[in-house]
Amino acid sequence: QKEVEQDPGPLSVPEGAIVSLNCTYSNSAFQYFMWYRQYSRKGPELLMYTYSSGNKEDGRFTAQVDKSSKYISLFIRDSQPSDSATYLCAMTAVQGGSEKLVFGKGTKLTVNP
Amino acid sequence: NAGVTQTPKFRILKIGQSMTLQCTQDMNHNYMYWYRQDPGMGLKLIYYSVGAGITDKGEVPNGYNVSRSTTEDFPLRLELAAPSQTSVYFCASREVSFGAGETQYFGPGTRLLVL
Repeated sequence: QKEVEQDPGPLSVPEGAIVSLNCTYSNSAFQYFMWYRQYSRKGPELLMYTYSSGNKEDGRFTAQVDKSSKYISLFIRDSQPSDSATYLCAMTAVQGGSEKLVFGKGTKLTVNP
Repeated sequence: NAGVTQTPKFRILKIGQSMTLQCTQDMNHNYMYWYRQDPGMGLKLIYYSVGAGITDKGEVPNGYNVSRSTTEDFPLRLELAAPSQTSVYFCASREVSFGAGETQYFGPGTRLLVL
């Protein structure tokens, strides 16, 4: 089983739809959970991060973490064409005195006007 | 404040050639990283550095070398290019901030094609 699993999509939705992006993980040592957005031919940019179970909201974006189920989600409300990008989940753990950062493979999202 | 800059943006190499990918950050970050991103494969860590003079291997270090003589610069060296090294390379930096998690800042990437 891979440490981080992310459905690669692609995902295509109409403008205004609610989008749900998900990742599962197997390593219970992961402490910090991030979502990055990557536009085509650009570097990833941090969208949200959280370190506790529950929800964190930022505008139209909500990050959800369920540590008991080893499951994280990113919800996008009222999706816009400008949200079209690849979304990568990432998570970190400190093991053996060093940090470990693992990315999901990314989900490509297209929001159609 | 330019953030993380990378040069070149695009390069074609012949098998066996060498090159250095440059990365510079002006945010005085201690942590710097090199990733490669293959289509549909996410980001894989090649090398990272926790400060000037300190580097360590990541998940896929074979065929690459790094150095960190200053806080600002973290070049990645390919000694004998192989087709398997065709990829997009991203440099990233992070401020060590306890409790802030991995707030990494990425450069725009270098597209490398090895023929």
